[in-house]
Amino acid sequence: AQSVAQPEDQVNVAEGNPLTVKCTYSVSGNPYLFWYVQYPNRGLQFLLKYITGDNLVKGSYGFEAEFNKSQTSFHLKKPSALVSDSALYFCAVIPYTGGFKTIFGAGTRLFVKA
Amino acid sequence: DVKVTQSSRYLVKRTGEKVFLECVQDMDHENMFWYRQDPGLGLRLIYFSYDVKMKEKGDIPEGYSVSREKKERFSLILESASTNQTSMYLCASSPTPYRKGSNQPQHFGDGTRLSIL
Repeated sequence: AQSVAQPEDQVNVAEGNPLTVKCTYSVSGNPYLFWYVQYPNRGLQFLLKYITGDNLVKGSYGFEAEFNKSQTSFHLKKPSALVSDSALYFCAVIPYTGGFKTIFGAGTRLFVKA
Repeated sequence: DVKVTQSSRYLVKRTGEKVFLECVQDMDHENMFWYRQDPGLGLRLIYFSYDVKMKEKGDIPEGYSVSREKKERFSLILESASTNQTSMYLCASSPTPYRKGSNQPQHFGDGTRLSIL
C-alpha cells in the first residue's frame, strides 16, 4: 500500500536553532512530494514541492526540503527556527500514476520555544 | 489571490439531521476535494470531483455524499449525521485536468469544525 510516514508526532526546538521535520514515503514510481503547514484554526498552506531536478528544494518562509531517493525521504528543514514557525506540518505525496490523489502523512507538530 | 471559502467555520447539529457543508473556489480549478481531519490520523479523503457533475469516492465515503452542479462549488452532505462524524472538514481545490499526472499543490479553505450532538 502506498503511504507517507512522519515518524515524530512532535518536534521541539529552541528559537534560532536549526529544525528538521522528517518524512518518508512508500509509493511506486517517481512521486511528486509536498510540504504543507497548518496554523491553528486554519486550512493547510502550501510550503514547497519537489518535482524533479535538484534534491534541495527551497520554499516559503525560509523553509527547504531535501529529497533522498535511495532513502525515500523528504525531510523539511530550516536553518534558524522562529517562534512563529510553531504549527502543524504535513508531508504529502502524489504518486505519478496519472491521477491527482494526494496521500498525506499524519502530521508533525512543531513547537519553537523562545 | 487564490481563495477557497467554506460557508461555516463552526457548526453544531444533532444526530439524524441532514447536514450540508458548502465550499466555493474562485480559481476556476477543475478538481475539488473534501477531507476530514482528526488528531493523529492526518487528512482522509472523503470524495473528490474532477469536473462538474463528476465525483469519485475517496478513502472514507460511507455516510457522505457530494454534489457539484457548478464548477466553483462543491458540497458535502451528511445524509444522517452521527456522533462519529464530529470532525474538522477541509475543502480543497487544484488545477490540472483529470488523467494527467498532477504536480500542482492543493489550495485549502479554513475548515468547518462540525460537532454532532
